[in-house]
Amino acid sequence: DTGVSQDPRHKITKRGQNVTFRCDPISEHNRLYWYRQTLGQGPEFLTYFQNEAQLEKSRLLSDRFSAERPKGSFSTLEIQRTEQGDSAMYLCATRRDISSNEQFFGPGTRLTVL
Amino acid sequence: KQEVTQIPAALSVPEGENLVLNCSFTDSAIYNLQWFRQDPGKGLTSLLLIQSSQREQTSGRLNASLDKSSGRSTLYIAASQPGDSATYLCAVTGAGSYQLTFGKGTKLSVIP
Repeated sequence: DTGVSQDPRHKITKRGQNVTFRCDPISEHNRLYWYRQTLGQGPEFLTYFQNEAQLEKSRLLSDRFSAERPKGSFSTLEIQRTEQGDSAMYLCATRRDISSNEQFFGPGTRLTVL
Repeated sequence: KQEVTQIPAALSVPEGENLVLNCSFTDSAIYNLQWFRQDPGKGLTSLLLIQSSQREQTSGRLNASLDKSSGRSTLYIAASQPGDSATYLCAVTGAGSYQLTFGKGTKLSVIP
């Protein structure tokens, strides 16, 4: 257990529905990342927060995706109008601050879109 | 664009063998390289982090080396055990970037 928690761990939804995932970071970590991992692939970067500011977004993050980190604590990732291609593991990672480069990952949320 | 390649994609060894996993990256301008372990259906566990100024890091039976100029890293596992069976992922943080770029991983099976 790295101290990063994600909820839910599994989500099954029908195409077209909206889903929201939550990530709770290690308490003193002010950097937070979202990644997506499909079967047989390494994780791919989606977005990055420093405290509450979203500083970087991947081109993978289409306009159906939105991420927030209110008050610089937990973060949410919402997918609107889900598609079957959104089926993947969504991973959250956190990093303490500028003095530390190591990222710690949560257990992930596995999304299945039917 | 940074690309990370891991060879082999899968590896099966008998228990007790020493083994080496390989990772290569195309852009040598990196801040650091991190090795992770991933069990099926689980998140990632950080094994070793090597800063760009370092040549190697060791933790228990694991030793990771970094040759930044040639764009290569190796993860050496000594005296392998069945519990080492997992997928091992290599990832780099590029200079001026906050994100990790991952390889596809090497799936290791250690046979009792």
